[in-house]
Amino acid sequence: TQLLEQSPQFLSIQEGENLTVYCNSSSVFSSLQWYRQEPGEGPVLLVTVVTGGEVKKLKRLTFQFGDARKDSSLHITAAQPGDTGLYLCAGGVGGSQGNLIFGKGTKLSVKP
Amino acid sequence: DAGVIQSPRHEVTEMGQEVTLRCKPISGHNSLFWYRQTMMRGLELLIYFNNNVPIDDSGMPEDRFSAKMPNASFSTLKIQPSEPRDSAVYFCASSPTGVSTGELFFGEGSRLTVL
Repeated sequence: TQLLEQSPQFLSIQEGENLTVYCNSSSVFSSLQWYRQEPGEGPVLLVTVVTGGEVKKLKRLTFQFGDARKDSSLHITAAQPGDTGLYLCAGGVGGSQGNLIFGKGTKLSVKP
Repeated sequence: DAGVIQSPRHEVTEMGQEVTLRCKPISGHNSLFWYRQTMMRGLELLIYFNNNVPIDDSGMPEDRFSAKMPNASFSTLKIQPSEPRDSAVYFCASSPTGVSTGELFFGEGSRLTVL
């Protein structure tokens, strides 16, 4: 069974701080996606990484896929209250769209 | 453009009752997914369809759950009879065919409470 472990489960920080959340597995994934979910809404895709070692930036968010394609990290610089939400990573297995394994998420709270 | 539309947004029912959740995927998307989200288990795939055909239903908990997709613009997830442990948020998501990285577009979810 392929599992994605996300850490930390909960994170509460002040506006302006930096943070990193992690997504780890013992399995290799063909792709890794990060979603953000706000209360009462569905997850929304932030980024997809497909190449080992790949780094992508989305404004203040930096995503990295591990060299072995087993892990990923999301770094947020100068967090803002609008970054509050549940961050989910999802690993793709092969080419099938149905084989997308989700982690349980990191719940981030950014206080003003 | 309209996103994935789910109904109802909230449903409260009593144990033993039938529950039907509905989903309208994004027009032109050929794959549709049903997920269930709980605090304990996170987001779990229940079933997915490609071109209206069920491809993988191994995530469906038991025979009380059934899903249909009679056409490209509509799908239902039915629970009969419902039990308290079915309480969760049920998400429908769609994806365009040919997207190798499998980007999913989620609806806002249906929050089910079974008393």
